[in-house]
Amino acid sequence: QKEVEQNSGPLSVPEGAIASLNCTYSDRGSQSFFWYRQYSGKSPELIMFIYSNGDKEDGRFTAQLNKASQYVSLLIRDSQPSDSATYLCAYLAGNQFYFGTGTSLTVIP
Amino acid sequence: EAQVTQNPRYLITVTGKKLTVTCSQNMNHEYMSWYRQDPGLGLRQIYYSMNVEVTDKGDVPEGYKVSRKEKRNFPLILESPSPNQTSLYFCASTYWTGTTGELFFGEGSRLTVL
Repeated sequence: QKEVEQNSGPLSVPEGAIASLNCTYSDRGSQSFFWYRQYSGKSPELIMFIYSNGDKEDGRFTAQLNKASQYVSLLIRDSQPSDSATYLCAYLAGNQFYFGTGTSLTVIP
Repeated sequence: EAQVTQNPRYLITVTGKKLTVTCSQNMNHEYMSWYRQDPGLGLRQIYYSMNVEVTDKGDVPEGYKVSRKEKRNFPLILESPSPNQTSLYFCASTYWTGTTGELFFGEGSRLTVL
C-alpha cells in the first residue's frame, strides 16, 4: 500500500513567520517528491520538486528530503497572506503519482 | 498559452447515464492522467497514459474507462455512473523524464451523480 501522510491542519501562522509543512511516505521505491499548492476552488500548481536527499531552496520555499526516514518537508519563510492555501505532498513511484490529503495553511495578517 | 482543457466544468447527471469528460493539452506531453479529489481522501489517480495507445490503471480505476487515440486528448468515460463517483475530477499532463515531471492540471470538472 502506497501512502502519503500529511497533517491536515489547519495550520495558522502570523504574517512574516516560517510555516513548516511535513509529509511522510511509505514507499521506499519513491523517486521524486513534489509540493503542490492548491487555492480554494482551483487546481493544484507545482511549487517545488526534490529527488536528492538534503535541502532545495527556491525563493522563500525550501524543500527538505530524508529518504532514510521517508520524510519530506516544506518550509515557507516570510509567510504572506497569499500563501494561504492547501499544500499537497506527492511522490512519483514507477509511473504513478501519489498524493497526500493536504495541509491547510492560513497566514494571518 | 500552454494549457490543459477539461469539459464540462460542471455536470449533474443521473445514475446509469453514460458520460464523457474530455481533456486536451497543447504542450505535446507524452504523459497524461486523471485524478479524483474527495474530502479527506486527497487526490487519487484513476488512470494514466504514457503515450498514444498506452494506458494503465491507477489506484481507483473501477467504474472508469479511458482512451488515448491522439497525443493531445485523454477522455475519461463513465459508462454507468453511480453516486459514489460524485467528485471533483482533474486531468493533468506532464513532459515525462522518467524521474521527474511537473503535472499541469486542468481546471477541474465537478461531477454530481444523482
